[in-house]
Amino acid sequence: GQQLNQSPQSMFIQEGEDVSMNCTSSSIFNTWLWYKQEPGEGPVLLIALYKAGELTSNGRLTAQFGITRKDSFLNISASIPSDVGIYFCAGHRRRSGGSYIPTFGRGTSLIVHP
Amino acid sequence: GAGVSQSPSNKVTEKGKDVELRCDPISGHTALYWYRQSLGQGLEFLIYFQGNSAPDKSGLPSDRFSAERTGGSVSTLTIQRTQQEDSAVYLCASSLVAGPGGYTFGSGTRLTVV
Repeated sequence: GQQLNQSPQSMFIQEGEDVSMNCTSSSIFNTWLWYKQEPGEGPVLLIALYKAGELTSNGRLTAQFGITRKDSFLNISASIPSDVGIYFCAGHRRRSGGSYIPTFGRGTSLIVHP
Repeated sequence: GAGVSQSPSNKVTEKGKDVELRCDPISGHTALYWYRQSLGQGLEFLIYFQGNSAPDKSGLPSDRFSAERTGGSVSTLTIQRTQQEDSAVYLCASSLVAGPGGYTFGSGTRLTVV
């Protein structure tokens, strides 16, 4: 079952505002991934984080891998209407059998009003 | 192909019927995943294929669900005796190798059981 708590569930903001969302877990992960999903499409990778404490930017997006390895956040600065979508976090660790199967959060639905 | 291709994009079936969903991963990708996305939920892991290794079926919700991957490429997810609770978007993803990196998702198959 789900092990990641992602918040908030939804956000309604004005264009130009900054956005922050986060994921927490009771388990340690070795990698954190952030995805964006638009209607009728599959999720698209935005940022991948591989080291505890790592802070990575991709344009207006910034994400951090928490020091405890149990959390991550994603910030979007100066939001624009095309930022609308559902944002998912995913935690990754190697299973005992050697497979890598990410666990996904429930998503944060972002609506940006022009 | 250029991306992960899933077919059909939409499927409406009667309760009790069997359905087959197809995934054509990116050429050369050895890892293939199936996920289920129910309304307002995150991505629920179903099954994972890696090369010629035995698949990780730990996420399949019941024995009505099965999947095959032929020739290390195309995969088919079969749901027998469909139930209304099987209604969801079924997403396929592939990656070059199994590892803590990102995955490329298809656009999904929206299954509706009536």
